[in-house]
Amino acid sequence: QSALTQPPSVSGSPGQSVTISCTGASSDVGSYNRVSWYQQPPGTAPKVLIYDVSNRPSGVPDRFSGSKSGNTASLTISGLQPEDEADYYCSSYTDSYTSFGGGTKLTVL
Amino acid sequence: QAQLQESGPGLVKPSDTLSLTCAVSGYSISSNNWWGWIRQPPGKGLEWVGYIFHSGNTHYNPSLMSRVAMSTDTSKNQFSLKLSSVTAIDTAVYYCTRKVAGLSWYADWGQGTLVTVSS
Repeated sequence: QSALTQPPSVSGSPGQSVTISCTGASSDVGSYNRVSWYQQPPGTAPKVLIYDVSNRPSGVPDRFSGSKSGNTASLTISGLQPEDEADYYCSSYTDSYTSFGGGTKLTVL
Repeated sequence: QAQLQESGPGLVKPSDTLSLTCAVSGYSISSNNWWGWIRQPPGKGLEWVGYIFHSGNTHYNPSLMSRVAMSTDTSKNQFSLKLSSVTAIDTAVYYCTRKVAGLSWYADWGQGTLVTVSS
């Protein structure tokens, strides 16, 4: 299982859009559409935002969207809101094993 | 949605075995779900530990495989984690999780419990 690479931090102002990247390898992100994204506000447990690259569980606002190109998956948050300030983690599921990215801290300015 | 609640000692001595239990409500342990653990060292990222099906089938993180054991208790609707020969690097918040069989994401998480390894 390869490690997934995320930028340590991103920031944006309310109303803007930000994109968080998640780079893996051809053996995981590049070969399977089993990438998910989790949001972790400070002091709380993670919660799934996106599964299978671009699907949203019920209750997740459509401001959150996911995509993939080659070995890199991306999470885009549009119309930033103060409550979006949190850590975000990507995850890849391959052959019954799970790997996580190092996490990205989103700051809403 | 399942409700998951971790329990266990918050302090474990180096070289001892860390033992945690996750009580499940809202779902039967015998349902079509994988029950697992994900940990997070203080101030760091998430690390997958592994998961177990009620049949006893398991999948563990290769980096922890030699020290990890998981089990289920259908009579109490709970599952457990044991991690042997712990060191300070095993200090983390441990989350129990639910993943639907055949799907790739973790739908439910417990609130997490901090386990510190220290003498």
